[in-house]
Amino acid sequence: QKEVEQNSGPLSVPEGAIASLNCTYSDRGSQSFFWYRQYSGKSPELIMFIYSNGDKEDGRFTAQLNKASQYVSLLIRDSQPSDSATYLCAVNLYTGTASKLTFGTGTRLQVTL
Amino acid sequence: DTGVSQDPRHKITKRGQNVTFRCDPISEHNRLYWYRQTLGQGPEFLTYFQNEAQLEKSRLLSDRFSAERPKGSFSTLEIQRTEQGDSAMYLCASSPAGGPFNEQFFGPGTRLTVL
Repeated sequence: QKEVEQNSGPLSVPEGAIASLNCTYSDRGSQSFFWYRQYSGKSPELIMFIYSNGDKEDGRFTAQLNKASQYVSLLIRDSQPSDSATYLCAVNLYTGTASKLTFGTGTRLQVTL
Repeated sequence: DTGVSQDPRHKITKRGQNVTFRCDPISEHNRLYWYRQTLGQGPEFLTYFQNEAQLEKSRLLSDRFSAERPKGSFSTLEIQRTEQGDSAMYLCASSPAGGPFNEQFFGPGTRLTVL
């Protein structure tokens, strides 16, 4: 079982719709959870992070965390063509000497006109 | 620009050559990370520095790889005797001092091609 799993997609949504991106993780000791956006050929850009159960909203983005189910999601409201990118889920685990991020393989989102 | 910077942005080398990459973190970030990313994969952790101390290395980091952060500011990643399998994007990230959630900010990356 991979430590962080995401559906590779592509996930295709029409402009203006809600895009829902999902991620599951295996280590129950994981402490904080991150969503990064990565355009082709570019480096990851931090969108938001969440560390407690429930929802966290930032503009058009909402992160949701359910630690009991080991599940994190990202909702993008009013999707725009500029949202077309790969979305990486990352999980932070403190190892005793370091906190490090483990990434999923990413979900490719396509927002169609 | 106060973000993470990396140099060079692209490097093409022949198999067997040594290469060195540089990362300048966001100022006052005492945590610095190196990752490697290949096509279709998420970034994979390579190593971590807190100030000048290298606190963790992945088993992905073979003895051909070495990283330093001599004064707790910029860092270098050297790959000796490069192999074609080393071709990847090498990403550097930094994180604020004392931050409990470890939000990391990435530089633009160095794309390495080994011929």
